Amino acid sequence: NAGVTQTPKFQVLKTGQSMTLQCAQDMNHNSMYWYRQDPGMGLRLIYYSASEGTTDKGEVPNGYNVSRLNKREFSLRLESAAPSQTSVYFCASSEAVSEQFFGPGTRLTVL
Amino acid sequence: EDQVTQSPEALRLQEGESSSLNCSYTVSGLRGLFWYRQDPGKGPEFLFTLYSAGEEKEKERLKATLTKKESFLHITAPKPEDSATYLCAVQARGSSYKLIFGSGTRLLVRP
Repeated sequence: NAGVTQTPKFQVLKTGQSMTLQCAQDMNHNSMYWYRQDPGMGLRLIYYSASEGTTDKGEVPNGYNVSRLNKREFSLRLESAAPSQTSVYFCASSEAVSEQFFGPGTRLTVL
Repeated sequence: EDQVTQSPEALRLQEGESSSLNCSYTVSGLRGLFWYRQDPGKGPEFLFTLYSAGEEKEKERLKATLTKKESFLHITAPKPEDSATYLCAVQARGSSYKLIFGSGTRLLVRP
């Protein structure tokens, strides 16, 4: 089992460009999450999907959109990237109230 | 507002020197408290879940405890390979499984 996979691992964008971060899990989990991690601020929830077909805003959703493509895949889209979105992005999955399992992260720089 | 505070921000120990990390939390009804380990450049790795005050969990040199206001991660006779950032997170009742993370404690164990 690969667990949670994320692509790409690294990305550099110019201000105003768009991109989609991909996430897939092979643990048959119902819930999936997108976080960003910034120095000194911990992990902050951007969006989550409690089950296939549903998505909800987290703590910092502005500037992002998500798509729960199927039970395995949950993508995060930046429509018009800004320097403030420079961060490390983590995808996670879980089965209801149990622990969340994290992917290896995507390191995004917006110039 | 639900909140998690970890202390200290950074901790340096000699190999074999035991210590504790603190996680203080304010949450409107605790469903669970989670400890994660994060190595540089990687995603968080799940360690423990605690659900009620008085509960304890152990794994090798690590022991996590929980009270109504805080959790401790005790590290007994640490080794250099225990060096990492340790993250604490809480899940509130009725929160749709969202986690609220502290900003972590960076642990360095010197040989």
